[in-house]
Amino acid sequence: SQQGEEDPQALSIQEGENATMNCSYKTSINNLQWYRQNSGRGLVHLILIRSNEREKHSGRLRVTLDTSKKSSSLLITASRAADTASYFCATPPNNNDMRFGAGTRLTVKP
Amino acid sequence: EAQVTQNPRYLITVTGKKLTVTCSQNMNHEYMSWYRQDPGLGLRQIYYSMNVEVTDKGDVPEGYKVSRKEKRNFPLILESPSPNQTSLYFCASRGGAGGYTEAFFGQGTRLTVV
Repeated sequence: SQQGEEDPQALSIQEGENATMNCSYKTSINNLQWYRQNSGRGLVHLILIRSNEREKHSGRLRVTLDTSKKSSSLLITASRAADTASYFCATPPNNNDMRFGAGTRLTVKP
Repeated sequence: EAQVTQNPRYLITVTGKKLTVTCSQNMNHEYMSWYRQDPGLGLRQIYYSMNVEVTDKGDVPEGYKVSRKEKRNFPLILESPSPNQTSLYFCASRGGAGGYTEAFFGQGTRLTVV
């Protein structure tokens, strides 16, 4: 069963706008990770946030984690056309494997 | 360069003809996994391995086999492929225990079974 569920399924914005994607999960975690996938390619790791962290930044990325609500959000600021991709959250529920949601497909129009 | 290498990248085969998709990583990672990706369903885990000779089923293992005889290799075997196994397949690896490590993905194998 999928552990993370991203929302929305698809998001279309103009270049320069901010993009926010959300992830909800079901069981307790020790960390949550976000990945990016360009069309048909392998996923690439973006950022990891630990369960004792509430917010983390990396360049134009900002991730928040609310363990009480079992949810996380990924904010991409000042988006660019090159940010067009699918974004996935992932959790290692049992520390043995990693499960992904269905992803949010982001389109940034130039 | 750290990488996960899958072969082949593209494969068209016929129903029932056994095939193997290879996966190799050069990072000495303990954990390796296979996923399939279908439109609207995201990535679903097929099998994973925690180390040599240690494998376990993921969410959709039916019709697949794996083996982990060496740490670097984790082949995916379809003994009798069927059209519903047409999909985009990814191998991934990550190191260490505790889940605080990122996964590295191969470039994908697009399989078509006719």
